[in-house]
Amino acid sequence: DTEVTQTPKHLVMGMTNKKSLKCEQHMGHRAMYWYKQKAKKPPELMFVYSYEKLSINESVPSRFSPECPNSSLLNLHLHALQPEDSALYLCASSQEDSGIKETQYFGPGTRLLVL
Amino acid sequence: AQKITQTQPGMFVQEKEAVTLDCTYDTSDPSYGLFWYKQPSSGEMIFLIYQGSYDQQNATEGRYSLNFQKARKSANLVISASQLGDSAMYFCAMREGISGGSYIPTFGRGTSLIVHP
Repeated sequence: DTEVTQTPKHLVMGMTNKKSLKCEQHMGHRAMYWYKQKAKKPPELMFVYSYEKLSINESVPSRFSPECPNSSLLNLHLHALQPEDSALYLCASSQEDSGIKETQYFGPGTRLLVL
Repeated sequence: AQKITQTQPGMFVQEKEAVTLDCTYDTSDPSYGLFWYKQPSSGEMIFLIYQGSYDQQNATEGRYSLNFQKARKSANLVISASQLGDSAMYFCAMREGISGGSYIPTFGRGTSLIVHP
């Protein structure tokens, strides 16, 4: 089963709201990723967790706060977002984060609109 | 310099025909992996096929095959017998064997494929 689930599918929030995106995988993968994707652009890496520890933060603004409560779950906490943060947020997982063969499996994404 | 180049922003193909989506890459590392993903309008990125730099044969997965030309640094995706459901964005990606750090995947800009009936 190569399934990564994400909730919610759609999210509309105001600039003062606090919300969270959730990602879950049950493939026993030890690496999890958050990507941001604007329309007709490639996904941009935001964060990488490896064995539940944050291993990469691609200079993401602090209004995005990742959390990995356990090896199956990855959250992205959102606070005081800007309209330009509106995008598709994709979660992915892979067996490990190192290795040229590591295939990432993606979730369906959360479409976020910030008003 | 871009590590992954997809020069075709958009491609059109007739149903049941074959289509080739181009991907060239740039790396000085002898060890790397190349991936193709499909992204329908629903948003999910679907893994299609993988080719390792040391693999002797071109990868194939059902209707998908990868035309790997190492000397030219190209890894083109060939879709045979196109179906209407193949209409999507297609991304080429690479993982390099960077020693001492994470193998962060790099994505190309993507090619939009439209299959006509």
